[in-house]
Amino acid sequence: EPEVTQTPSHQVTQMGQEVILRCVPISNHLYFYWYRQILGQKVEFLVSFYNNEISEKSEIFDDQFSVERPDGSNFTLKIRSTKLEDSAMYFCASSETGTGNEKLFFGSGTQLSVL
Amino acid sequence: AQSVTQLDSQVPVFEEAPVELRCNYSSSVSVYLFWYVQYPNQGLQLLLKYLSGSTLVKGINGFEAEFNKSQTSFHLRKPSVHISDTAEYFCAVSPFTGGGNKLTFGTGTQLKVEL
Repeated sequence: EPEVTQTPSHQVTQMGQEVILRCVPISNHLYFYWYRQILGQKVEFLVSFYNNEISEKSEIFDDQFSVERPDGSNFTLKIRSTKLEDSAMYFCASSETGTGNEKLFFGSGTQLSVL
Repeated sequence: AQSVTQLDSQVPVFEEAPVELRCNYSSSVSVYLFWYVQYPNQGLQLLLKYLSGSTLVKGINGFEAEFNKSQTSFHLRKPSVHISDTAEYFCAVSPFTGGGNKLTFGTGTQLKVEL
């Protein structure tokens, strides 16, 4: 089965630093997402992206966050100035269509630790 | 808005025993329902989903779930578990309309299968 790949698997950064989390979605998918899970808490939706635009974003996704599809294969999440509370597992996902009834393909996640 | 409750954070069970993982949801609109599984060091994978029709849905690896509208529940069951079923299981919902693939997850249930 095709896979979504995420790099790096672990990222340690100092508070206030910028981080970029990278994802390669499945090649024929058109919709891309970022979710995150703070330790012991729920997996939370951050943002969805289609046709080079944000489709929807949650309250968590403030001005410190941005997403980009810099080329035909990568999808990135940038956190401009990290805070301690940004420490979480970040999951990238992709899907063929944007309907709410389809299967999302998730990557194995990037564990971000902000010190 | 939607919310998902998974009351059991951990469920220990012996191999070949049956198991039920509970999921209740709350929503002001109709939703699609999903169960995802996360094996160690892997991304979330779709186990099964309920869209409409028969309330009993079958998924991969011998799992099934039953949608109960009056109780707003979507419990996951397997008649005989295997060691390889040890993983974290997430229940999630997505609204029929306007939600795209903005999934709302529960906190997850860690299933631990013992010999």
